[in-house]
Amino acid sequence: KAGVTQTPRYLIKTRGQQVTLSCSPISGHRSVSWYQQTPGQGLQFLFEYFSETQRNKGNFPGRFSGRQFSNSRSEMNVSTLELGDSALYLCASRPGRMDEQFFGPGTRLTVL
Amino acid sequence: GQNIDQPTEMTATEGAIVQINCTYQTSGFNGLFWYQQHAGEAPTFLSYNVLDGLEEKGRFSSFLSRSKGYSYLLLKELQMKDSASYLCAVDMNRDDKIIFGKGTRLHILP
Repeated sequence: KAGVTQTPRYLIKTRGQQVTLSCSPISGHRSVSWYQQTPGQGLQFLFEYFSETQRNKGNFPGRFSGRQFSNSRSEMNVSTLELGDSALYLCASRPGRMDEQFFGPGTRLTVL
Repeated sequence: GQNIDQPTEMTATEGAIVQINCTYQTSGFNGLFWYQQHAGEAPTFLSYNVLDGLEEKGRFSSFLSRSKGYSYLLLKELQMKDSASYLCAVDMNRDDKIIFGKGTRLHILP
């Protein structure tokens, strides 16, 4: 089985721009979660989607949004980028509740 | 609110044993995950404890005490490749979130 894939792997943007990141979960996994990882804050939960519905949301501003498609692929969007949005964005999928999460390789976003 | 604490950094010697502690205070609890993350890579699953007690998996063991809000990851016969960050994460039952601690960076010395 193929693992979780994320595109792009690296991205450089400037302040004020917007960005869309993509995640393809493991086949059969309906839950996709997104995390932001920075050296100071560790892994912080952004949101989780299950069967195209946002099931949970972390404490991030409305500039961060996401969606999930019928094939379980997910995208997250960050609008009006700020310098502090520079981070590794990780996507993780799992079959359902109380299951192990499998992480993708991440997208390294740098905001200049 | 949610609070997950683990030491920021630890150092141990090749061949030795190290215990990484994690304490948590959360408003709901299904179980506790441990993940390993090498620098520049994605986290990989190590263990998931739901019931109290010790679960052993090769050189790695994980312990959970639900009443004390406490877990530890025990690494035996340390190898240089064990140098990584170890992330403790609580699987919440109230809203199905998984909340991560900030991770413990483990340095292995020869």
